[in-house]
Amino acid sequence: ETGVTQSPTHLIKTRGQQVTLRCSSQSGHNTVSWYQQALGQGPQFIFQYYREEENGRGNFPPRFSGLQFPNYSSELNVNALELDDSALYLCASSDGTSGGNTIYFGEGSWLTVV
Amino acid sequence: GNSVTQMEGPVTLSEEAFLTINCTYTATGYPSLFWYVQYPGEGLQLLLKATKADDKGSNKGFEATYRKETTSFHLEKGSVQVSDSAVYFCALRRIQGAQKLVFGQGTRLTINP
Repeated sequence: ETGVTQSPTHLIKTRGQQVTLRCSSQSGHNTVSWYQQALGQGPQFIFQYYREEENGRGNFPPRFSGLQFPNYSSELNVNALELDDSALYLCASSDGTSGGNTIYFGEGSWLTVV
Repeated sequence: GNSVTQMEGPVTLSEEAFLTINCTYTATGYPSLFWYVQYPGEGLQLLLKATKADDKGSNKGFEATYRKETTSFHLEKGSVQVSDSAVYFCALRRIQGAQKLVFGQGTRLTINP
């Protein structure tokens, strides 16, 4: 149990639709990041939020966007869904951005785009 | 850029066998190194970490040593159990900047009784 909770756990969307995934970080953690894990692959960094501002982004198009709220919970929004967006989306939290800090992951949200 | 290369799987062993999963990395500067484990249908759990050269991370009988000279962080366990069956990911993270973990492709481990 990492204290990072994500919702929903599974969902199915149609190509072209929009989706919002939610994450509650571990208590006291002010940094949240999101990863996409395609089947059989390692997770890929999407972006990070630190104290409500995006401060790092991976190689994902602008239709992937996010928010972090004052309580440090976060949302990942994906617009104009494509079939290749089908993946496990993982939220991770930590206290600060130091390279040695432990990063805790949630159980993920499985997204299927049909 | 930063990257991690892991031993290709799947790996199948018998219970009580010795395990090694190789991991090498390419990075600018001196990153922190991690091993994460993913059990079926679950998210990622941190298994162990090392934040500087020659550090040894250990947990649940698993060990890995940060080798700067060979840019490696191989995972080892002396005697595996059926419950160790999972996918193992090696990852690195820069000391400064975004909380970006760079993962290897994962190694699926199956332990037979």
